[in-house]
Amino acid sequence: EVQLVESGGGLVQPGGSLRLSCAASGFSLSGYWMSWVRQAPGKGLEWVANIKGDGSEKYYVDSVKGRFTISRDNAKNSLYLQMNSLRAEDTAVYYCARGVITDQWGQGTLVTVSS
Amino acid sequence: QSVLTQPPSASGTPGQRVTISCSGSSSNIGSDTVNWYQQLPGTAPKLLIYDNSQRPSGVPDRFSGSKSGTSASLAISGLQSEDEADYYCATWDGSLNGYVFGAGTKVTVL
Repeated sequence: EVQLVESGGGLVQPGGSLRLSCAASGFSLSGYWMSWVRQAPGKGLEWVANIKGDGSEKYYVDSVKGRFTISRDNAKNSLYLQMNSLRAEDTAVYYCARGVITDQWGQGTLVTVSS
Repeated sequence: QSVLTQPPSASGTPGQRVTISCSGSSSNIGSDTVNWYQQLPGTAPKLLIYDNSQRPSGVPDRFSGSKSGTSASLAISGLQSEDEADYYCATWDGSLNGYVFGAGTKVTVL
């Protein structure tokens, strides 16, 4: 059974940093693009970033470029999102998802940016 | 404001057919396939339709998708109470170099 489990969310002050992790099981991460998608409270879905299976290509939504970094460790079957210079508008549930078309999703981890 | 336009809401009575539209442009829907997601209240989204009209294993055939030019649509036939959810269309946008979602359509079963 495919499972994606996010962790690392929490409360952080504006300007702070947070690193999200996504542990994958039931499939080999190396064979898939992986994505991060977020959802602000009461709002719709927003794609954040994705990364190719071997890590050679990465894409980001404009609003996080230069602040967020997506990475992966295929040996650990894990995906990461390093978030720096966090802003109030980054407050959201962050989901990791498999593939560009995101065919499998985790349950999400809540990131709250507030003083 | 999303580059993909969906109606904010749609509704129908049990058994009816409901259709949700998703309008884009040549840089997104016009040049790539469309995927649809269902998000039930309080849960993570679930892939409902991929590659315009394909259903993942386990998705009932009441759900169907289509695409024409720069628009796509999702149809739910034989509407059921458990279909009450938010529905999102999405596709890759070659101009933005990113995956874009519509703002979502809330389906209510009357």
